[in-house]
Amino acid sequence: DAGVTQSPTHLIKTRGQQVTLRCSPKSGHDTVSWYQQALGQGPQFIFQYYEEEERQRGNFPDRFSGHQFPNYSSELNVNALLLGDSALYLCASSLVAGGGETQYFGPGTRLLVL
Amino acid sequence: GQNIDQPTEMTATEGAIVQINCTYQTSGFNGLFWYQQHAGEAPTFLSYNVLDGLEEKGRFSSFLSRSKGYSYLLLKELQMKDSASYLCAVSPPGGGNKLTFGTGTQLKVEL
Repeated sequence: DAGVTQSPTHLIKTRGQQVTLRCSPKSGHDTVSWYQQALGQGPQFIFQYYEEEERQRGNFPDRFSGHQFPNYSSELNVNALLLGDSALYLCASSLVAGGGETQYFGPGTRLLVL
Repeated sequence: GQNIDQPTEMTATEGAIVQINCTYQTSGFNGLFWYQQHAGEAPTFLSYNVLDGLEEKGRFSSFLSRSKGYSYLLLKELQMKDSASYLCAVSPPGGGNKLTFGTGTQLKVEL
């Protein structure tokens, strides 16, 4: 049973650049959520995708955008990178039909902005 | 809004029992999750409480009191591998994926 996978594992960018992170949900899951986790903090909800649409959004600027594909995989895009965007980006998947509540996390992408 | 409080750090001895508390003040509430996160790794699901009371799952138990806005995670027979951050998170009314996490409790298990 394949778990949540994310790529790349690590990434280094400079201020002003753009980045795309990728996520494949756990087998059988149809919903993907993205979280940002700064060092020493708990994850913060960015947004959730279901049926290829953004369904919920946290307090993140429009520089953060996403996409979900027909195979349920998802991308997170961040434009005009700031130093403060350096964090671990976590993808979590769940199944709406199963109540959609328990989310399973991927290993994350560690982004460093210089 | 949501406000979640948990201790920053705790230390316990191998073989002992430790209780990690979490209090929350929220504008709405459906349930409370506990996740374990080892350094540099993804959070892994431990428990989900919706109703008041204690739920036991092996060495780990989780308790919820909705009226008091309080939960705890109880770890028994501590092992060195239990050294990790333990994250408390609440889910919004009606369920859904927009979890609000606390900052996590860093547990160190010593010999």
